[in-house]
Amino acid sequence: DAKTTQPNSMESNEEEPVHLPCNHSTISGTDYIHWYRQLPSQGPEYVIHGLTSNVNNRMASLAIAEDRKSSTLILHRATLRDAAVYYCILRDVDFGNEKLTFGTGTRLTIIP
Amino acid sequence: GAGVSQSPRYKVAKRGQDVALRCDPISGHVSLFWYQQALGQGPEFLTYFQNEAQLDKSGLPSDRFFAERPEGSVSTLKIQRTQQEDSAVYLCASSLLQRELSGANVLTFGAGSRLTVL
Repeated sequence: DAKTTQPNSMESNEEEPVHLPCNHSTISGTDYIHWYRQLPSQGPEYVIHGLTSNVNNRMASLAIAEDRKSSTLILHRATLRDAAVYYCILRDVDFGNEKLTFGTGTRLTIIP
Repeated sequence: GAGVSQSPRYKVAKRGQDVALRCDPISGHVSLFWYQQALGQGPEFLTYFQNEAQLDKSGLPSDRFFAERPEGSVSTLKIQRTQQEDSAVYLCASSLLQRELSGANVLTFGAGSRLTVL
């Protein structure tokens, strides 16, 4: 899988929007962009994914650059419960192996 | 149940003991994964099953690690002769296998089993 680059940590104030960046300059045309997050003492949980177009769901929005070499996860109004490690992962189509390859992610701290 | 269930949640073993960690995936999920997560690190892939077939075991760190899923549902990760470096959280995940949407398949993780080897 192609690699992603994320900042090690970020801070944001409660009730403000948060923009978490991810660079993936070697992305291929068939790579999906996935975001997972891991709250303390829990397993990772799915947040959102996209291929080319921007995506919205109840948890977040995903903005994908036109050249697909970067993307941004947007939490519209951060709460204390959003404090977690956020992982940006590229996933190619592989019927023989559906695994995700995690990096070290971005640790998001929410300031009350 | 609605989610992926792992047991035990916590396991303390003496160096040299064998341990077995269990994973109950979401009913109907064809794909099952095991990951190892050391403190402060991201999860590292260990092995992958489609139904009962172990298609990828490239991440297993040594021949002391063994995983099985004999009936294509529950899986067990066994670690023989545990060492201190095996101390970690072991995560299990499952997903549907939708071939036409392979790149978009979503994994659901359990809460993990924390293994401490003394």
